[in-house]
Amino acid sequence: DTGVSQDPRHKITKRGQNVTFRCDPISEHNRLYWYRQTLGQGPEFLTYFQNEAQLEKSRLLSNRFSAERPKGSFSTLEIQRTEQGDSAMYLCASSLRGTGAESSYEQYFGPGTRLTVT
Amino acid sequence: EDKVVQSPLSLVVHEGDTVTLNCSYEVTNFRSLLWYKQEKKAPTFLFMLTSSGIEKKSGRLSSILDKKELFSILNITATQTGDSAIYLCAVMEYGNKLVFGAGTILRVKS
Repeated sequence: DTGVSQDPRHKITKRGQNVTFRCDPISEHNRLYWYRQTLGQGPEFLTYFQNEAQLEKSRLLSNRFSAERPKGSFSTLEIQRTEQGDSAMYLCASSLRGTGAESSYEQYFGPGTRLTVT
Repeated sequence: EDKVVQSPLSLVVHEGDTVTLNCSYEVTNFRSLLWYKQEKKAPTFLFMLTSSGIEKKSGRLSSILDKKELFSILNITATQTGDSAIYLCAVMEYGNKLVFGAGTILRVKS
């Protein structure tokens, strides 16, 4: 258990419905990331936050996707009007932020939310 | 476009064998390279490599980075059935986002 938690662990929804996932990072981590993983592929970056600021969004993140981290702690990822192609494992990760130009910190992943769109 | 390529895609070995997994990358703003192990759940962190030529070790696992040739290897000695997993290589860019390879599926037979 890395200390990153995600809820729910599994979600089955019908096409066209909205879904929301939650991620609680390791408490002292100020960076939070969302990734999507489909079968046979490595995780793909979606977006990340430093504290409450969303600093980067992938072009994979269509306008049906929105992510928030309102108080710089937990984050939510919402998908509106779900499509079958949204079926995937949605992974959240957290890390510390480097304080120098060359510093970087490893990311720790949560257990993921597996989304199935029928 | 940034790219991370892992080889082989899959590998079957017997317990006790030594395996070498490869990762090559083409990334614009390289900061570090990370290895993760993924079983039927989220990736678990193994190593982070930032400098060339310095081997990192943890038990039977070791890894090294070559920033000139843009690759890394992950070695597992005396493999056990519990090593069966997908091994993911990822490159961290400035901004700290990770670019992952597709992974190497390792199966260790008893």
